[in-house]
Amino acid sequence: SQQGEEDPQALSIQEGENATMNCSYKTSINNLQWYRQNSGRGLVHLILIRSNEREKHSGRLRVTLDTSKKSSSLLITASRAADTASYFCATPNYGGSQGNLIFGKGTKLSVKP
Amino acid sequence: DAGITQSPRHKVTETGTPVTLRCHQTENHRYMYWYRQDPGHGLRLIHYSYGVKDTDKGEVSDGYSVSRSKTEDFLLTLESATSSQTSVYFCAISESGGFGQFFGPGTRLTVL
Repeated sequence: SQQGEEDPQALSIQEGENATMNCSYKTSINNLQWYRQNSGRGLVHLILIRSNEREKHSGRLRVTLDTSKKSSSLLITASRAADTASYFCATPNYGGSQGNLIFGKGTKLSVKP
Repeated sequence: DAGITQSPRHKVTETGTPVTLRCHQTENHRYMYWYRQDPGHGLRLIHYSYGVKDTDKGEVSDGYSVSRSKTEDFLLTLESATSSQTSVYFCAISESGGFGQFFGPGTRLTVL
């Protein structure tokens, strides 16, 4: 069953602009993760934020988590053409066992030079 | 790609034939996963393993079986391939399950 849903489905910006993607989820979680997928490649883990954290930074990435609203956002600052990819949020699947994740359908980001 | 490979990378087969995809890791991670990725559906879990000989079903397990006889290898078998199994298949590994997964490069399977 779908847990995380990203918004928007697609985003097109110019190089140098900031890109913001959102993820909403349904049940309580202890962490939320963001992944990137370049065209034709596997997913790459970007960042994990725990439920007791409100904000986390990694280079040009900033992730926020609002557990009261069951939502997270991923901000990419000063975007580059190389940031063009699909971005997925993932949350633990407590309905299953042994540490499964449920992935959203992703936001497709296009950064134009 | 974190010491994880998939083989073959591309395969074209016919309906009704058996197909086995292999995932191999050199990280000694406990957890291994098979996903399929289709347009409009995102990434869906087929089967996963939490140790040698320990496997369980995911969201879309019908028509698939798996085996894990060694820590480093996780096999996905389509006993009798159907056109609906045309997809891109990803293997992933995780040291601590649910806390960050590392993905392989994917296998593009076409069933005619």
